[in-house]
Amino acid sequence: GAGVSQSPRYKVAKRGQDVALRCDPISGHVSLFWYQQALGQGPEFLTYFQNEAQLDKSGLPSDRFFAERPEGSVSTLKIQRTQQEDSAVYLCASRYMDEKETQYFGPGTRLLVL
Amino acid sequence: AQKVTQAQTEISVVEKEDVTLDCVYETRDTTYYLFWYKQPPSGELVFLIRRNSFDEQNEISGRYSWNFQKSTSSFNFTITASQVVDSAVYFCALSERRAQKLVFGQGTRLTINP
Repeated sequence: GAGVSQSPRYKVAKRGQDVALRCDPISGHVSLFWYQQALGQGPEFLTYFQNEAQLDKSGLPSDRFFAERPEGSVSTLKIQRTQQEDSAVYLCASRYMDEKETQYFGPGTRLLVL
Repeated sequence: AQKVTQAQTEISVVEKEDVTLDCVYETRDTTYYLFWYKQPPSGELVFLIRRNSFDEQNEISGRYSWNFQKSTSSFNFTITASQVVDSAVYFCALSERRAQKLVFGQGTRLTINP
């Protein structure tokens, strides 16, 4: 079946602009995660959904970051008033159910804030 | 707190050599899961293996093998007879039953030279 898809693949934003990044998880996957990967670093956790419920948002770096998954499928990560330090690859992962299962990752959205 | 350490930042070997990537983890949970992912130049994280904390049996898959030792909190990955296509960044990751999210190491950039 289809894997996790993300759009756009690349986004260039001017400082201060709002951006929205989309993630389509694998069909039937209950859990969805967002990670941020800075250049040369490992991915870092941002937030986690189980169905439409956001169960953990402890990794969101500021209140400019907001994520939603209103129908328990597609998720959107929104960054308001982007700053240069927001430049990174944003990875989405989905998982069938619980922590025993594997997280499968999408190709990521590379965000560059100028 | 969860932590994963990959002390080797970069490794470069000649094709056909064997190479081992080290991973050391920290966790206070008794139930946890360890993962290895491969990130080729295209950027997508590719799942390689998952082990749970109750299963210390080593695993071999073709040229890949994994050595899990709870006594030293290590989960090392060996590639036998390396090939140029193995060139990538490899990440070790940990998830706890309580925390759900993946915590990644910094990654090891592996370069296989022809």
